[in-house]
Amino acid sequence: DTEVTQTPKHLVMGMTNKKSLKCEQHMGHRAMYWYKQKAKKPPELMFVYSYEKLSINESVPSRFSPECPNSSLLNLHLHALQPEDSALYLCASSQGQGARDEQYFGPGTRLTVT
Amino acid sequence: GENVEQHPSTLSVQEGDSAVIKCTYSDSASNYFPWYKQELGKGPQLIIDIRSNVGEKKDQRIAVTLNKTAKHFSLHITETQPEDSAVYFCAAARSNDYKLSFGAGTTVTVRA
Repeated sequence: DTEVTQTPKHLVMGMTNKKSLKCEQHMGHRAMYWYKQKAKKPPELMFVYSYEKLSINESVPSRFSPECPNSSLLNLHLHALQPEDSALYLCASSQGQGARDEQYFGPGTRLTVT
Repeated sequence: GENVEQHPSTLSVQEGDSAVIKCTYSDSASNYFPWYKQELGKGPQLIIDIRSNVGEKKDQRIAVTLNKTAKHFSLHITETQPEDSAVYFCAAARSNDYKLSFGAGTTVTVRA
């Protein structure tokens, strides 16, 4: 199984809402990532978890809060978002640390902030 | 930090012809160069990668070449098929670094 799953596929939320994005992988990977992708742009790295510990935060605003409950799950908690946060949010995982290990991407959650 | 430039931004080819996408990078310490294909409504998928100790790598109709001296690498797709239509991203990274620096992407359209 080389699949990364993400739920929900689509999410519409108001600026005062709190919501969460979920990501799951069962490949035994120890690194998991959140990316943000705007239309017609490449993915931008937001966070990296390695062995369930946050190892990289790319200066992401605190209205995005990641969580890694265990090695298979990754959440992204959203609160007080802005319309400009509307984007495709991609989760990825890799075997270990470093770019030498292939990153497997999920299909993404299409987020719209109204 | 690393800066990756990718050209062209759009590419239209006749089915059966070849497609070539070129990328340049700035960080001479980068030593891992993956290529991703992203179809509509899907996440990026790794299609081929190359490391700095290799000059060329082939996988069926796809090949990647790397020129470390000139700091550029290219993706070659031969005998293109309609299912090759997608957005292609090149990337560069140091192998001990998590962060992939992506190019801006190339939208490839294969005309039947």
